[in-house]
Amino acid sequence: QSALTQPASVSGSPGQSITISCTGTSSDVGGYNYVSWYQQHPGKVPKLIVFDVNDRPSGVSNRFSGSKSVNTASLTISGLRAEDEADYYCSLYTASHVLFGGGTKLTVL
Amino acid sequence: EVQLVESGGDLAQPGGSLRLSCAASGFTFSLHWMHWVRQVPGKGLVWLALNNPDGSHTSYADSVEGRFTISRDNAKNTLSLQMNSLRVEDTAVYFCARDYGGTLDSWGRGTLVTVSS
Repeated sequence: QSALTQPASVSGSPGQSITISCTGTSSDVGGYNYVSWYQQHPGKVPKLIVFDVNDRPSGVSNRFSGSKSVNTASLTISGLRAEDEADYYCSLYTASHVLFGGGTKLTVL
Repeated sequence: EVQLVESGGDLAQPGGSLRLSCAASGFTFSLHWMHWVRQVPGKGLVWLALNNPDGSHTSYADSVEGRFTISRDNAKNTLSLQMNSLRVEDTAVYFCARDYGGTLDSWGRGTLVTVSS
């Protein structure tokens, strides 16, 4: 039950695009498509922004998109805005467990 | 509107016990898998346990296996987490979350558990 690996921090300027990676192994990320991404602002509850690798819940901006290649999932945020500054977590749902990444702090410069 | 409200967080001594509850409303509770997740303030999310709709199947993270028990009462729309043999490192905010087809789509606001002597 090892956590998925995310960069501790990423940054970008308003209007730019950034990508956050989430790396696992062939036994987890590589073997399942139940990859989700959550956004969490300080003191707030995690908010689901991407599920099933690249689907978005109703109401989530299409500036958020997900993808997966082999053992690495990715979250791309395009057209960065100040309100995107938050912590982002990937997760993977296997048959009997949920794994979370360590989280990535996004700073909008 | 889906609502999940956790309660039961408190100060406990190492080795002690606490029981957390999660009151669910706004959806058919008995049709959904449910989860507990915790977060040390300022740190990352950690999955703890899941429970299937009729409560017959449970699964736990290694860190809490044998100490924590997840259960549910579908008649009362309530999810519970019995926490025994508490450790200082169990100090965290505990969230319950609804499972929707392999993703945790709705979360409660959490309840704070502090384990200290």
